[in-house]
Parts: sequence; C-alpha cells; structure tokens
Amino acid sequence: ELKVEQNPLFLSMQEGKNYTIYCNYSTTSDRLYWYRQDPGKSLESLFVLLSNGAVKQEGRLMASLDTKARLSTLHITAAVHDLSATYFCAVDIAAYGGSQGNLIFGKGTKLSVKP
Amino acid sequence: DVKVTQSSRYLVKRTGEKVFLECVQDMDHENMFWYRQDPGLGLRLIYFSYDVKMKEKGDIPEGYSVSREKKERFSLILESASTNQTSMYLCASRNTGRRYNSPLHFGNGTRLTVT
Repeated sequence: ELKVEQNPLFLSMQEGKNYTIYCNYSTTSDRLYWYRQDPGKSLESLFVLLSNGAVKQEGRLMASLDTKARLSTLHITAAVHDLSATYFCAVDIAAYGGSQGNLIFGKGTKLSVKP
Repeated sequence: DVKVTQSSRYLVKRTGEKVFLECVQDMDHENMFWYRQDPGLGLRLIYFSYDVKMKEKGDIPEGYSVSREKKERFSLILESASTNQTSMYLCASRNTGRRYNSPLHFGNGTRLTVT
C-alpha cells in the first residue's frame, strides 16, 4: 500500500525562525507536488517537482525532491505570519501504473507562525 | 489561469435526500476528481474520470456515484445522504497525457452538512 507521510503534522513557529517539513513516500515516483490550504479554503498548488534533485523556491519557501531516498522537503526561511496554513505534499504514481492522474496526499502539516 | 468551479460553497441537506454536487472546469482537462476532506483523515479520493462517460472508483466510493456527460462537467451524487457524509468535498481537474507534469487544480470546495 502506498503511504505518504508528512512530519510534523503540527508546527508552531516564531516569526523569523527556519524550519523544514518532511514528506516521505513508500513507492517509486519522480513527481511530487506541494499544496497550501488556508482555513476554510481549497488547495492551492505551490511547487511541482518532476525529477530527482529538483529544487524550487518561491519567497520564503523552498522545496526539494530526492527520489532515491523517497523524500521531499519544504524549507521555511525566516517565517512570517502570512505563511500560517496547512501544507500538503502529494505523490504522483500514474507513471508507475497508478490510477490515471490521481495523486496520493499526505495528511498535511498545520503551520502556525506566531509573532 | 485554470478555473475549477463548484456550484455550491455550502449545502445543508436532510438524511435520505439525493444530493448533487456539480463541478465545471474551463481548461479542457481530461481528468477530473472528487475528494472528500475530513479532519485527521486528509484527502480521500471518491471517484475520478479520465474521459467523458468514463469513471473509476477511488478509495471510498460507497454511497456515492458520479456522472460525466460532458468533458467540462463532473457531478458527484449522494444517492441517499447520511450524516457520515457530512464533509468538505473538493473537485479537481488535471491535464494528462503521456507525461503527467501538471498539478491538480482544485475548486473552492463544497461544505456539505447532512442533518
């Protein structure tokens, strides 16, 4: 059974601090996505990682993918309150016989950035 | 920008009612999906469709059916609503082909309450 595990599930940070969210998955895949969800809202695509060693950055967020370790990270630099949200990683297994186009989601990391 | 529109933001229905959740996307995507999101359980796939009139069961199809008569529209049907179907329902679509390089695009969600 494919598993996508995020940790931590809850993260309380102070503004200005750095932290990393981890996403481990249990099957072969070279496509991984990060999403952000604000309370009561839908999911917004943040990063698309399509190969081993891929690194994407936007603002204070940087995502990377290590397909050999089956690990993706979302690094937060100098956190600000506006980054408070729930972050999901999602693994694409379609290229490896998975259901057509479906993504398997982690349970999400709820990030709270406090002044 | 891709737009995925869900017809209702909030719905309140009674137990036993037949409920229709509608979703329309404007980017000619082949694949469309219905997820439900519950606290602590993350996103779970109910059904998806990879072409008009084609559908496949996801992880939790019991109590649901779907309809895709036109490419842009994917409907989720609760045949006889029950209280355990109270949830946030998210529709998503995606462009696919030989390479699955694009993320899922989500609608704003429908929060359904069954009383």
